[in-house]
Amino acid sequence: EVQLVESGGGLIQPGGSLRLSCAASGFTVSSNYMSWVRQAPGKGLEWVSVIYSGGSTYYADSVKGRFTISRDNSKNTLYLQMNSLRAEDTAVYYCARDRYVLMVPRGMDVWGQGTTVTVSS
Amino acid sequence: QSALTQPASVSGSPGQSITISCTGTSSDVGSYNLVSWYQQHPGKAPKLMIYEVSKRPSGVSNRFSGSKSGNTASLTISGLQAEDEADYYCCSYAGSRVFGGGTKLTVL
Repeated sequence: EVQLVESGGGLIQPGGSLRLSCAASGFTVSSNYMSWVRQAPGKGLEWVSVIYSGGSTYYADSVKGRFTISRDNSKNTLYLQMNSLRAEDTAVYYCARDRYVLMVPRGMDVWGQGTTVTVSS
Repeated sequence: QSALTQPASVSGSPGQSITISCTGTSSDVGSYNLVSWYQQHPGKAPKLMIYEVSKRPSGVSNRFSGSKSGNTASLTISGLQAEDEADYYCCSYAGSRVFGGGTKLTVL
């Protein structure tokens, strides 16, 4: 079964760091584009970051320089390292498979259940 | 990139059809046929409903259809059912990825 399971969320003080994990099963993370998407309480979806199969990474302006996306191929796991956290980073964080076929994006077709990050003193 | 513009809410009665619009610019929605749509029920993860403007993933009902004209993409749901009540988001791939603000669909 194709599945994504996030973990690592929690309550963290402003300025702190947290690392989210997203364990994949049923497919290979390194062969796919993988994105992080977040949703603040009562708000809409916001794309955060993507890592391409070739290793290139891209970030939303709101997190650039503070967040780092990476993957561990041996563990088939995606990560999001979040530093210098702010109150406005409070959200449910989802990982998603960002499906591409022949270099054409076909949408985020597999999503995890989400992990909650709360930044507060 | 700025978020794509969607109506905050739409509503319809069972059996009716509704359309949700998603307006971007000539740099995103207007330039590429790379708009996807997601359905999200409360407390659940989003679900891909439409990709490449009008294509449906396997398993998605053919009551859901997508289209685009100029800088505006649209999601149409025909034969509205109670379980269609959810939030809907468009997303454009234009270099980066940008979501719309979301539309709450109420089935009356």
